[in-house]
Amino acid sequence: DADVTQTPRNRITKTGKRIMLECSQTKGHDRMYWYRQDPGLGLRLIYYSFDVKDINKGEISDGYSVSRQAQAKFSLSLESAIPNQTALYFCATRAGTGGGSTGELFFGEGSRLTVL
Amino acid sequence: GNSVTQMEGPVTLSEEAFLTINCTYTATGYPSLFWYVQYPGEGLQLLLKATKADDKGSNKGFEATYRKETTSFHLEKGSVQVSDSAVYFCALSRAGWNAGNMLTFGGGTRLMVKP
Repeated sequence: DADVTQTPRNRITKTGKRIMLECSQTKGHDRMYWYRQDPGLGLRLIYYSFDVKDINKGEISDGYSVSRQAQAKFSLSLESAIPNQTALYFCATRAGTGGGSTGELFFGEGSRLTVL
Repeated sequence: GNSVTQMEGPVTLSEEAFLTINCTYTATGYPSLFWYVQYPGEGLQLLLKATKADDKGSNKGFEATYRKETTSFHLEKGSVQVSDSAVYFCALSRAGWNAGNMLTFGGGTRLMVKP
C-alpha cells in the first residue's frame, strides 16, 4: 500500500461545484503539502502545514482552502471550481528537521481534476 | 526570488545513449539542489541531491554536480535504459536541506528512451 494516499485519483466536475481532494499518510510525518502540476510549469505550492495547528499559504493559494484534520490527514478544497483549476494535484509529506530526517518529500500518486 | 530553469522536452534517445538534462537556477544564498523523477502514473520521487557547491549527487547511474560558478545542476547518465523514461524535475530549497524551506521546481523535462 502507498505511504501517501490521495482520493479521488480522477475527478471531472462542472464550474461552480465544490470539490474536496483528500490526502492521508502512514509515514508519521508532521509536514504536509499540496502542490499543483501544470504542463511546462512544474509543481507550484498551494498550501502547507507543519502540524495540526499550523496552516500556511503557498504561492498560489487563491481559490483554494485546506484542512488538517489530524497529523495523517490533509484535505484540499475548491469552494467554487473554475476551468483554470484543471490540473494534476499532488499531496506530499516530509519529516520534521530533527531525529536524523533526510528532509525528503514523499509524494502521493496525484489527483487529476478536470473542471468543465 | 528563487527560480529553476530546465531544458524543454521531450528528449528522445535510443537505449544506451548518453543523457544530459540541463538545469540552471537563480537563488540568494546557498540553496540545496535536487532532481526528482516522475514515472508514468506515479508521484515524484527523489532521485539525487546536493547540498553545497561542488557536491556530486548520484543514484541509479544518474549524477549531477552542484556548480555555483555557473548556477547549474545538470543531470547526466552514461547509458540510458527504456525504464528511465519519465519526467525529470530540477528543484531547489533555500538555506539548507533541513531548514524547512519550500522547494521551488523547474518545469520538468520528459525523457523518452526507445529500444
